[in-house]
Amino acid sequence: GENVEQHPSTLSVQEGDSAVIKCTYSDSASNYFPWYKQELGKRPQLIIDIRSNVGEKKDQRIAVTLNKTAKHFSLHITETQPEDSAVYFCAASRVGASGSRLTFGEGTQLTVNP
Amino acid sequence: DTAVSQTPKYLVTQMGNDKSIKCEQNLGHDTMYWYKQDSKKFLKIMFSYNNKELIINETVPNRFSPKSPDKAHLNLHINSLELGDSAVYFCASSQDGGYSYEQYFGPGTRLTVT
Repeated sequence: GENVEQHPSTLSVQEGDSAVIKCTYSDSASNYFPWYKQELGKRPQLIIDIRSNVGEKKDQRIAVTLNKTAKHFSLHITETQPEDSAVYFCAASRVGASGSRLTFGEGTQLTVNP
Repeated sequence: DTAVSQTPKYLVTQMGNDKSIKCEQNLGHDTMYWYKQDSKKFLKIMFSYNNKELIINETVPNRFSPKSPDKAHLNLHINSLELGDSAVYFCASSQDGGYSYEQYFGPGTRLTVT
């Protein structure tokens, strides 16, 4: 089955700096890679996702890159703000018409210091 | 207005008891999921149903039994609760095979077994 590794497990940055979280996956058939943000005591919420036919996707301060050959993908947050503090999860999946089995990384606790 | 809802939000019970968690989505999605998030925040899929049909059944003790009476509802019944079952259980739903594969999570049910 799929195995996703995520690094680092904790990341502390100063407000305004950039943050980068990296993930690797094992199943070359995986074709969908979402990133979820989970604030303390809240539900995971999708912040950005990328499919295997795309190498990069950007949404305002958030960007995701995918390297299919190396089987790794990364989340980039620029101009970080204190409200970006949360746990971030990457995931990988082989999607189909009847749903997808998301395999999550172990999460990164991001702390943005004002 | 809530997209994915779960009841109860908190559940405290003793070892050996049987309990149920209910989930409902009003998004018209075809696929629903149960995830378990342990004390280390690791998210792992347990079950998935597509149009009331069981699609994913991970290596979960058979004390856990999901049931989908219709595609808007997915319940989880747990028999003979053990200390290790203490976790946050998230329900999620998705509409696949088209524009988006996003999984929408419910608010979670925090189960504590004493």
